[in-house]
Amino acid sequence: AQSVTQLGSHVSVSEGALVLLRCNYSSSVPPYLFWYVQYPNQGLQLLLKYTTGATLVKGINGFEAEFKKSETSFHLTKPSAHMSDAAEYFCAVSGRTGYSTLTFGKGTMLLVSP
Amino acid sequence: DAGITQSPRHKVTETGTPVTLRCHQTENHRYMYWYRQDPGHGLRLIHYSYGVKDTDKGEVSDGYSVSRSKTEDFLLTLESATSSQTSVYFCAISELVGLAGRLGYEQYFGPGTRLTVT
Repeated sequence: AQSVTQLGSHVSVSEGALVLLRCNYSSSVPPYLFWYVQYPNQGLQLLLKYTTGATLVKGINGFEAEFKKSETSFHLTKPSAHMSDAAEYFCAVSGRTGYSTLTFGKGTMLLVSP
Repeated sequence: DAGITQSPRHKVTETGTPVTLRCHQTENHRYMYWYRQDPGHGLRLIHYSYGVKDTDKGEVSDGYSVSRSKTEDFLLTLESATSSQTSVYFCAISELVGLAGRLGYEQYFGPGTRLTVT
């Protein structure tokens, strides 16, 4: 069984400030971890993923996330927020096979103010 | 976009009517999924398929059925639509990507279908 908890349904930051979106997971098997971004009225776009190897993974648009097994966390960060980062972000966990299904968190809406 | 299209993109229907949503992919992917997205719930898995005629239930499968008679099409049917099925429906495929030793599966999503049941 798998589950994902995203802390905070809304996070507000000022442009140029650090972005930190929190994700904790539960999985009975070694997981794959993902962050997706959804802009208004659009589909989901893969931001980054962790499968194996280096625990700090870099994604698109300057985002990165660190897999911490001991804390069962996969928090998403960006050093400096941009207005265009305003969107909803989803953390997800899956197993490691081709037919593994994704279990999503409930999402965090990132609001960026000038 | 992994060659995924969904049709229709928008639909309004009445309670009790049957509705079929279509997901079409052009890249011969084996694994396909249907999710629904609702505010405050994120995305939840309805059904998935691991090959032609091979399907399984997800977390929220009640009231939905699926069919996959050919690789490229995965159909989601609401036999008798209810207002609780008003949602945005996303289709996804799973693809193996990466380099040897660091391969992993990724899911890519279609553009979504907004369904309103009145």
